[in-house]
Amino acid sequence: GESVGLHLPTLSVQEGDNSIINCAYSNSASDYFIWYKQESGKGPQFIIDIRSNMDKRQGQRVTVLLNKTVKHLSLQIAATQPGDSAVYFCAEAPLNRDDKIIFGKGTRLHILP
Amino acid sequence: ETGVTQSPTHLIKTRGQQVTLRCSSQSGHNTVSWYQQALGQGPQFIFQYYREEENGRGNFPPRFSGLQFPNYSSELNVNALELDDSALYLCASSPINTDTQYFGPGTRLTVL
Repeated sequence: GESVGLHLPTLSVQEGDNSIINCAYSNSASDYFIWYKQESGKGPQFIIDIRSNMDKRQGQRVTVLLNKTVKHLSLQIAATQPGDSAVYFCAEAPLNRDDKIIFGKGTRLHILP
Repeated sequence: ETGVTQSPTHLIKTRGQQVTLRCSSQSGHNTVSWYQQALGQGPQFIFQYYREEENGRGNFPPRFSGLQFPNYSSELNVNALELDDSALYLCASSPINTDTQYFGPGTRLTVL
């Protein structure tokens, strides 16, 4: 069935280093992928998205990579800052989704001083 | 800030009661989706409304129902509350002709 999962529930990164958060998806029909950041007590915040016709997309300090061959998605955060501490969710939307987005369980990013 | 607001912020109900949660979308957003987020989990899709009609539903029983109004505000109603309904309820709205969803801060529902 459809599922979106993450390899690591918690990731600790030194401030200033780059962070890489990984995600696996199982539905090969998915054509739209999104990364969200959720801080404590807040709703998910859109970070970056990518469509299946692309393999890389860059934003401000963030890059999303999509490998459709192995159904893998990653979020790279450059020069990680304390404000990056949050739970990060990858999400997928299948082609005939009716805009239904399927979220994974999340990875907590912890920034070490 | 996404411009999506939800009320109330927190709510405590007892089992068997009914609850109505509210969401106000950004101007120009004609699609609203509702999600349930249990503690430590990712949001789970409940349903979506587009032009005041249900436009897709997740794996939730009929006691979860919704409404969307002409001004694009929305309600989520849950009847016969169960303990497992305790969660953060999120609404997300989308601008016309885009896929990006913008989430509100959520309503924390506790069922005792």
